[in-house]
Amino acid sequence: EAQVTQNPRYLITVTGKKLTVTCSQNMNHEYMSWYRQDPGLGLRQIYYSMNVEVTDKGDVPEGYKVSRKEKRNFPLILESPSPNQTSLYFCASSRGSNQPQHFGDGTRLSIL
Amino acid sequence: QQQVKQSPQSLIVQKGGISIINCAYENTAFDYFPWYQQFPGKGPALLIAIRPDVSEKKEGRFTISFNKSAKQFSLHIMDSQPGDSATYFCAASRHSGAGSYQLTFGKGTKLSVIP
Repeated sequence: EAQVTQNPRYLITVTGKKLTVTCSQNMNHEYMSWYRQDPGLGLRQIYYSMNVEVTDKGDVPEGYKVSRKEKRNFPLILESPSPNQTSLYFCASSRGSNQPQHFGDGTRLSIL
Repeated sequence: QQQVKQSPQSLIVQKGGISIINCAYENTAFDYFPWYQQFPGKGPALLIAIRPDVSEKKEGRFTISFNKSAKQFSLHIMDSQPGDSATYFCAASRHSGAGSYQLTFGKGTKLSVIP
């Protein structure tokens, strides 16, 4: 089954404690992206990757890092999480950047 | 600066009625306009999309109407069903350099279809 898998699905942590949210896709997609979803703000892009070792900032990249060492994986790293990063995060992948995106089921992060 | 404005924020429609969600944009560089549907606890899923060279696209009960001169596009759901109750996002995509496109989402519309 074609899917985008995110882990963990839920996480409660404290300010400053580094965390990583993993994202993996099994569709051999070149393009991957991270979004955060906040009430009343919709989906905002954090980072995206056109291919292995190629990443770029989206609209709200501050406080986040990403890497793309393998085609299937695109982890989101919060080096020093803060409460304003409490949000619902989605990873997405597609064949190309202007193609329909397939989303994971989301990761709900709460940073206290 | 909100590049894609979506309205209404929420919508309640009687079963069998027509649901209409509107979006407007400013940047004429946008060249791909998808709509995504999101159910609670799930990620958004592509519903239907249109490119600016056509004024309308229909897939089953879902239709996108596109007005290039007004820079507006809308989603119409005919014969709305309770199973259509979800949050709908419009989006617009534009070339952002080096073969890359950036997708910008509207803020979403929560649709409730009541029996």
